[in-house]
Amino acid sequence: DAKTTQPNSMESNEEEPVHLPCNHSTISGTDYIHWYRQLPSQGPEYVIHGLTSNVNNRMASLAIAEDRKSSTLILHRATLRDAAVYYCILRDSFGNEKLTFGTGTRLTIIP
Amino acid sequence: DAGVIQSPRHEVTEMGQEVTLRCKPISGHDYLFWYRQTMMRGLELLIYFNNNVPIDDSGMPEDRFSAKMPNASFSTLKIQPSEPRDSAVYFCASSPSLGLAGGPRGDEQYFGPGTRLTVT
Repeated sequence: DAKTTQPNSMESNEEEPVHLPCNHSTISGTDYIHWYRQLPSQGPEYVIHGLTSNVNNRMASLAIAEDRKSSTLILHRATLRDAAVYYCILRDSFGNEKLTFGTGTRLTIIP
Repeated sequence: DAGVIQSPRHEVTEMGQEVTLRCKPISGHDYLFWYRQTMMRGLELLIYFNNNVPIDDSGMPEDRFSAKMPNASFSTLKIQPSEPRDSAVYFCASSPSLGLAGGPRGDEQYFGPGTRLTVT
């Protein structure tokens, strides 16, 4: 599986936008970019995914570089509830259903 | 929908005992996954099923671990005999099978709240 690289931790002030980076220089043409997050003492939850174009949903936006070797998860207005570990995962769209979690980025929100 | 249901939420057992973790996936989902999370190894996939059939069990650590899915609404993960190094949080997740023929299969996975297992 192609690997992703994320910063171990980030901090952001409450009510400000947060940009969480992810590098995936060995991404293949059929890999989707998925983001999950894990709130304290909970199971991971899906955030967003995309292939080539930028994506928006009610939780976040996903900006994908033109060469697809990096992406950024954008939380437009962070709240204390957004404090979590965020995982960037590559998933082959035509392969099996496996999600391979890395170490993720631990996001701390400062009130 | 109640989401993915796991039981028990907490389990404390002694080394050598048999442990059975249970999972009820979201109704209509075709895929079921078992994960384990520890501080040392992070979140790792143990096994997953499609339509009740095990597809990939390469993550199962050893023969002491076994998983079954007798029907679409129930799965178990059994550890026999249990060891202290099995202490972890075990998550079950389910996923629908989406997409057209030849297109992307499956989409987001829905995780349960987890079972925290402590083996003393």
